[in-house]
Amino acid sequence: EIVLTQSPATLSLSPGERATLSCRASQSVSSYLAWYQQKPGQAPRLLIYDASNRATGIPARFSGSGSGTDFTLTISSLEPEDFAVYYCQQRSNFGPGTKVDIK
Amino acid sequence: QVQLVQSGAEVKKPGASVKVSCKASGYTFTSYGISWVRQAPGQGLEWMGWISAYNGNTNYAQKLQGRVTMTTDTSTSTAYMELRSLRSDDTAVYYCARDGVAVAGDLDVWGKGTTVTVSS
Repeated sequence: EIVLTQSPATLSLSPGERATLSCRASQSVSSYLAWYQQKPGQAPRLLIYDASNRATGIPARFSGSGSGTDFTLTISSLEPEDFAVYYCQQRSNFGPGTKVDIK
Repeated sequence: QVQLVQSGAEVKKPGASVKVSCKASGYTFTSYGISWVRQAPGQGLEWMGWISAYNGNTNYAQKLQGRVTMTTDTSTSTAYMELRSLRSDDTAVYYCARDGVAVAGDLDVWGKGTTVTVSS
């Protein structure tokens, strides 16, 4: 079974700053990796699929990169609505999440 | 618009079963699959399984094998998830999400979730 680890667990930043979130797979997943954003009391929302493709309606400040075992989600300049928990996912596996909170 | 509408909250006793529904609209139901994901209070996301709405093929999480059954009714564009022998640690919000038709993958449309509480 593929295990996904995410780092850091919590990222404390200010609006306007750049956020860099990491997801590592225990074995190669090629480019089959997605990223989701979840706000309290809401369902997750797909941000990125196939490692680097933005989902419909996702702002350009969100970008994904990586392949194999190491992946990155970058938010170029944090907006107030971006403070949330972010999960990576590979088919039947989710990472534990990274919480991006306000510094 | 594309949406998934889930059934309402449930309260069950340990040992009972629960069946959650997920009605799809705004797209061709049989061209996609449905995955079920749950989230215990304060915890992360847990993938439970996937069903193809095209041919009914399923793939369940190993830890739930034998307790979970996923089905679809193509006449009503509705997916169902039944979980049996409920325990207190099955208390969670259960989400359905649109997935690939041939294999589990990216989840691009989500229901709002159904809260299932297991308590004596």
